[in-house]
Amino acid sequence: DVKVTQSSRYLVKRTGEKVFLECVQDMDHENMFWYRQDPGLGLRLIYFSYDVKMKEKGDIPEGYSVSREKKERFSLILESASTNQTSMYLCASRPPMVYGYTFGSGTRLTVV
Amino acid sequence: KNQVEQSPQSLIILEGKNCTLQCNYTVSPFSNLRWYKQDTGRGPVSLTIMTFSENTKSNGRYTATLDADTKQSSLHITASQLSDSASYICVVSAYAAGNKLTFGGGTRVLVKP
Repeated sequence: DVKVTQSSRYLVKRTGEKVFLECVQDMDHENMFWYRQDPGLGLRLIYFSYDVKMKEKGDIPEGYSVSREKKERFSLILESASTNQTSMYLCASRPPMVYGYTFGSGTRLTVV
Repeated sequence: KNQVEQSPQSLIILEGKNCTLQCNYTVSPFSNLRWYKQDTGRGPVSLTIMTFSENTKSNGRYTATLDADTKQSSLHITASQLSDSASYICVVSAYAAGNKLTFGGGTRVLVKP
């Protein structure tokens, strides 16, 4: 089975801190995605990547950046965390031309 | 604008009973529709995936239907179990760069003994 691992289940950070959320997949998938999930808003795409060093903005990229230096790892970076970035963050991956996405377990980030 | 609407927002059912969740979408051009189950505090797990030509697909006690003409899908849970308590999310994909997904808001199901 494909495994998508997010490094932290829960994180608490202070306003203004730089925050790194890490995601690793073990099936050599080209495509990786970062979503945030908020009550009443569903999942919203922040960034995605088709391949190493490639990235594309999703629907809500403001306040975020990403890094894909290795195929298996896709990092989400909050340059200066703010309280409105308190959310559940979900990473997903899939191979090209395949419908099925595999999601990680999520990281619940609280910014205080 | 691509949208996915799910109903009801939440429902409570007794263990052993059946229930049906609804999903209406306006995503175009349609590629595929998936239903995910998401336990509290966890990532979504895929239940079914259907393309334009498929109108029903089952995964154990979960059966999804798709009517591409009316742009509606349903997820039927048969003989519910306590472990079915979760959020169920309808996700529709459009033919576009990255096979972009549009997520519904989910239906929260609580199964009571």
